[in-house]
Amino acid sequence: KAGVTQTPRYLIKTRGQQVTLSCSPISGHRSVSWYQQTPGQGLQFLFEYFSETQRNKGNFPGRFSGRQFSNSRSEMNVSTLELGDSALYLCASSLYVNTEAFFGQGTRLTVV
Amino acid sequence: GDSVTQMEGPVTLSEEAFLTINCTYTATGYPSLFWYVQYPGEGLQLLLKATKADDKGSNKGFEATYRKETTSFHLEKGSVQVSDSAVYFCAPDTGRRALTFGSGTRLQVQP
Repeated sequence: KAGVTQTPRYLIKTRGQQVTLSCSPISGHRSVSWYQQTPGQGLQFLFEYFSETQRNKGNFPGRFSGRQFSNSRSEMNVSTLELGDSALYLCASSLYVNTEAFFGQGTRLTVV
Repeated sequence: GDSVTQMEGPVTLSEEAFLTINCTYTATGYPSLFWYVQYPGEGLQLLLKATKADDKGSNKGFEATYRKETTSFHLEKGSVQVSDSAVYFCAPDTGRRALTFGSGTRLQVQP
């Protein structure tokens, strides 16, 4: 059974640009959550999707957005990138909301 | 809201030493409790879990017991190996929203 796949693994962008990250959950999983991990702030919750609907959202500015498609794949988008957006972005999938979460390897975003 | 307090790292141990990483939480209701591990350059992996009071989760020699009276879920291992070097995260899950993670505790095991 394939795990959670995040693409790309590494990304370098310039301040002011926008970026889209992708997450393919485990087959059959309908819930996808996104987290930002930085050395200073640790793991912070971004948003959670279930059946194409955003169920929960963390405390991030509107520059951070996401969506989920009918096949449960999810994307997150960050517009007008800032240096502080440099982080490891982790995606987790679970069968339903509130069941065990399986994490991808993450996308390492560097903003220069 | 939910919160987690983990002991500060890094924790540096010699191989075969005993490990304890403390975790206490604040959450509404009766959360499930998880320990996740993150190896260098990787995402998080579920290490163990406990879903109700007095349950003991265990995996790969690691154990943690759900203590409702002290709202704690301390991680222990009797004899650590170099391969256990990683960052460990405690996380309660109340079921109302996504996981709330502790700050993580880096474990370094020296040969």
